[in-house]
Amino acid sequence: EVQLVESGGGLVQPGGSLRLSCAASGFTVSSNYMSWVRQAPGKGLEWVSVIYSGGSTYYADSVKGRFTISRDNSKNTLYLQMNSLRAEDTAVYYCAREAPVGATTSYFDYWGQGTLVTVSS
Amino acid sequence: EIVMTQSPATLSVSPGERATLSCRASQSVSSNLAWYQQKPGQAPRLLIYGASTRATGIPARFSGSGSGTEFTLTISSLQSEDFAVYYCQQYNNWPAFGQGTRLEIK
Repeated sequence: EVQLVESGGGLVQPGGSLRLSCAASGFTVSSNYMSWVRQAPGKGLEWVSVIYSGGSTYYADSVKGRFTISRDNSKNTLYLQMNSLRAEDTAVYYCAREAPVGATTSYFDYWGQGTLVTVSS
Repeated sequence: EIVMTQSPATLSVSPGERATLSCRASQSVSSNLAWYQQKPGQAPRLLIYGASTRATGIPARFSGSGSGTEFTLTISSLQSEDFAVYYCQQYNNWPAFGQGTRLEIK
């Protein structure tokens, strides 16, 4: 059974840093495209970042230069390092697997339960 | 950047009736369109991909149609568990979601 479990969220001051983790089971993170998607309180979904199976990474303009996506193959875990956090980064952060359809980008077939990040003084 | 627009923002329908939700892309996304259902406090759940293919375990009352820039999600006979927020997402380019349609009980 595929499972994704996020952790690492919490309250952080503006300008601070936080690292989110997403532990996967039932499949191999390094063989798949893995993304982070966020949802501000009461708002819609926003794609944040992706790491391809080959290791290439891409980011939404809103987080480029501040966030870094990575993975630890030995732990089958995805990460999101978030620096220079702003109030507008406040959201539930979901990790999600992109369905392996062989295209540059895809839909999300499995999601974690999310972890809340609150940026406030 | 492809912008996805969903309508209406809120749809009020009675149980047992049909619901039709729309999604429009600012440029063609071919059939690279997915639909998700989200209930309060839960992660989104994949319903439809490829504009019209139901995901594993999704009931037949959910159907998707369209291609290019215009897409529709139809729920043929609403059950109580179907009242939720629905999002469309294009994956022809970097993933982009619509703002959502809230389906509420009339």
